[in-house]
Amino acid sequence: QVQMVQSGAEVKKPGASVKVSCKVSGYTLTELSMHWVRQSPGKGLEWMGGFDPHEGETVTAQKFQGRVTMTEDTSTDTTYMELSSLRPEDTAVYYCARARFGEFLRYFDLWGRGTLVTVSS
Amino acid sequence: DIQMTQSPSSLSASVGDRVTITCRASQTISTYLNWYQQKPGKAPNLLMYGASSLQSGRSSRFSGTGSGTDFTLTISSLQPEDFATYYCQQSYRTPFTFGPGTKVDIK
Repeated sequence: QVQMVQSGAEVKKPGASVKVSCKVSGYTLTELSMHWVRQSPGKGLEWMGGFDPHEGETVTAQKFQGRVTMTEDTSTDTTYMELSSLRPEDTAVYYCARARFGEFLRYFDLWGRGTLVTVSS
Repeated sequence: DIQMTQSPSSLSASVGDRVTITCRASQTISTYLNWYQQKPGKAPNLLMYGASSLQSGRSSRFSGTGSGTDFTLTISSLQPEDFATYYCQQSYRTPFTFGPGTKVDIK
């Protein structure tokens, strides 16, 4: 059974970077397609990006291109999302999620518990 | 980007009520439509995928229909544990976008 454990809450100043981790157990990362979704306080869900097995590469939302880096450490089965040049509006809960890709199907069936990132001066 | 809208944005219902939530995509997405349930302070939880397939372990009182641009999620008989916010999501094309959510609370 897959479990995903995310790193703890962070408080950052505007302009700084944050790196959130998501450690997977029960599977190896190479078997999974991991994605990141964030949710601002009291707001809806926003997909940031993740690995597309059909493309064979990580795809990121244009909104975050140039600011977000998603990496994986297969030796520890940990995936990372680093967001730079933080702004107060980046304050949100960041979730890692397992994506399932099939014929005519793509969905997120397992989610981490979330990591709260607060950006404040 | 494909825009997702949901209606209503919130509703009040009683236990045992039949509840229907509508989701509309700004362009055709075939059946690349998923539904998630989220309770306060918790991560979203997959409910339906491919517009009409029930995720394993979820109650059969949930059902989904639709294709193209218009989709519905129906709860046949609302139970206390169903009070939550429901989000639709298109996975037809990146960026994978979510609807704004429908909050279902107790009347």
